[in-house]
Amino acid sequence: QQQVKQSPQSLIVQKGGISIINCAYENTAFDYFPWYQQFPGKGPALLIAIRPDVSEKKEGRFTISFNKSAKQFSLHIMDSQPGDSATYFCAASRRSGAGSYQLTFGKGTKLSVIP
Amino acid sequence: NAGVTQTPKFRILKIGQSMTLQCAQDMNHNYMYWYRQDPGMGLKLIYYSVGAGITDKGEVPNGYNVSRSTTEDFPLRLELAAPSQTSVYFCASKEGQHTDTQYFGPGTRLTVL
Repeated sequence: QQQVKQSPQSLIVQKGGISIINCAYENTAFDYFPWYQQFPGKGPALLIAIRPDVSEKKEGRFTISFNKSAKQFSLHIMDSQPGDSATYFCAASRRSGAGSYQLTFGKGTKLSVIP
Repeated sequence: NAGVTQTPKFRILKIGQSMTLQCAQDMNHNYMYWYRQDPGMGLKLIYYSVGAGITDKGEVPNGYNVSRSTTEDFPLRLELAAPSQTSVYFCASKEGQHTDTQYFGPGTRLTVL
């Protein structure tokens, strides 16, 4: 059972454009939603994260939008740059109960930003 | 701080061989994790540990074993390697129960032939 569904699988955006990656989750016990960025040959690194008590979080060019009722969250990259080309993973975890503090990852989105 | 380190970076095993993937962190983190990453499949949790002497299974533990004798080290043991264990393995750590960010190592690419 895939608990976090991520789309699209790949994305090509022109430099300066907006990149949007979407995720949907099933487990309503999830209460922490991070996005990880991974460059080829490297480990994932935390990019930005949100908790369900807010609907949006912005850090520089990166914004998470969160819709609790729809059980969806998305990553928006404004003014996309070639250096943003990487694979992005959404994830979810719960802070209490069975399986707490274990991240469940989406399958990833490979973003290519072309000049 | 070196953060999370993993050795080796690459390894080729023959079917039935065994090996240990090493993971160490110098951040005094209590929580440590092992994931495997297969193409197009995201990361799946193999085992995790919430402190020295305490380990538990994740989503895909079959064919693997772990131990946690110190806070710093969390080795992953593969017994009787199979082609299905060909993957990239990532170790990660987290400070404690009330922190969320996991810090990942650079990975070990393992091929079983």
